[in-house]
Amino acid sequence: AQKITQTQPGMFVQEKEAVTLDCTYDTSDPSYGLFWYKQPSSGEMIFLIYQGSYDQQNATEGRYSLNFQKARKSANLVISASQLGDSAMYFCAMILTGGGNKLTFGTGTQLKVEL
Amino acid sequence: GAVVSQHPSRVICKSGTSVKIECRSLDFQATTMFWYRQFPKQSLMLMATSNEGSKATYEQGVEKDKFLINHASLTLSTLTVTSAHPEDSSFYICSARARDRVQETQYFGPGTRLLVL
Repeated sequence: AQKITQTQPGMFVQEKEAVTLDCTYDTSDPSYGLFWYKQPSSGEMIFLIYQGSYDQQNATEGRYSLNFQKARKSANLVISASQLGDSAMYFCAMILTGGGNKLTFGTGTQLKVEL
Repeated sequence: GAVVSQHPSRVICKSGTSVKIECRSLDFQATTMFWYRQFPKQSLMLMATSNEGSKATYEQGVEKDKFLINHASLTLSTLTVTSAHPEDSSFYICSARARDRVQETQYFGPGTRLLVL
């Protein structure tokens, strides 16, 4: 069975600084996908970035980049130039390709961006 | 693209009543939709997987007779909480996987907050 671990319940960062949110995963399946979602206080889940297990390059989407280290089974999210609107809960998730498309979520990291 | 809506966004009901929540993919066809439940300050827990035209697949511990799922079309799935009780109060959120997209991304609806009195 797959497992996602987020060890940081909460993180604080100053506006305009970069922040890294940690995520490690465990699976014996060679084919999988990793996601990061943002959940503001309104509750909606906003898709941020995706990394496939066979992707050679680290995924980037605007200010978001995913530091994918396959051997270490980590998929940390890096947010550059933090903004006040980035304050939210962030979830790392994994899907096994061909495994019923079920997403397994980590416990989340609450990010607070301060002035 | 990839917009998913949910209705209602909030509902308050009396114990013993049934509540229906709709999940729609607005600009794409979704062969598969997923229903999650999230308690305060916790992660999302998958309840069931809904496939168009077939019975839903429930996760272990989820009562299929209590949480009825109907995926009648490629753009609509409904979750009915039957005979709701206070312990069913939670945030229910659906997601949809696009039919024609290679990537495995699931797009989430805005969620429904259910409060059972």
